[in-house]
Amino acid sequence: GAVVSQHPSWVICKSGTSVKIECRSLDFQATTMFWYRQFPKQSLMLMATSNEGSKATYEQGVEKDKFLINHASLTLSTLTVTSAHPEDSSFYICSAPGTTRSLDTQYFGPGTRLTVL
Amino acid sequence: GQQVMQIPQYQHVQEGEDFTTYCNSSTTLSNIQWYKQRPGGHPVFLIQLVKSGEVKKQKRLTFQFGEAKKNSSLHITATQTTDVGTYFCAGLGAGGTSYGKLTFGQGTILTVHP
Repeated sequence: GAVVSQHPSWVICKSGTSVKIECRSLDFQATTMFWYRQFPKQSLMLMATSNEGSKATYEQGVEKDKFLINHASLTLSTLTVTSAHPEDSSFYICSAPGTTRSLDTQYFGPGTRLTVL
Repeated sequence: GQQVMQIPQYQHVQEGEDFTTYCNSSTTLSNIQWYKQRPGGHPVFLIQLVKSGEVKKQKRLTFQFGEAKKNSSLHITATQTTDVGTYFCAGLGAGGTSYGKLTFGQGTILTVHP
């Protein structure tokens, strides 16, 4: 099946710094990727839809100036958490549909665990 | 917006007992997907149901999609300790602003006592 990777798998940073998370589709192209956030013992919440070559679409309540998304190529989307604070500590997961013709089947990356001190 | 409710939140069973988790969407779905997440891990895709009234089986797991494509269930027969984890349903929006977006249920945490 399709494979999606994320880097880094975990990161610890100081409050006020910025952290970049990469999401790559390894054996297929993805014009659309999705970014989710999962707090401990909670469900996955969609943060934004990343679109190759255009601006990302953010869900209600997600600050676009704080969570910068860049989808520069058909295999790479990046999420930058700017001026991170402890409340941003979470598990960030990306997904990509397995085909450009359908958004039905989504493949998830392994996730990035962010801890802000 | 689209909402997916999942119950129960927790389920504790003895090994060998059956387990069921239910999902209900506020809107009609394009499809519904089920995921399993082990503690510390990421969601792992289990199955996707697309057709109205569809039933699929994977060994001891049985998945159902309602006729109205708004509800679904996952049933595990004779649970084993390896079934431990959180089971999420996720509904794929059928149209409008929900198109292509997965909305996850709250998840059901399953613990199995040997």
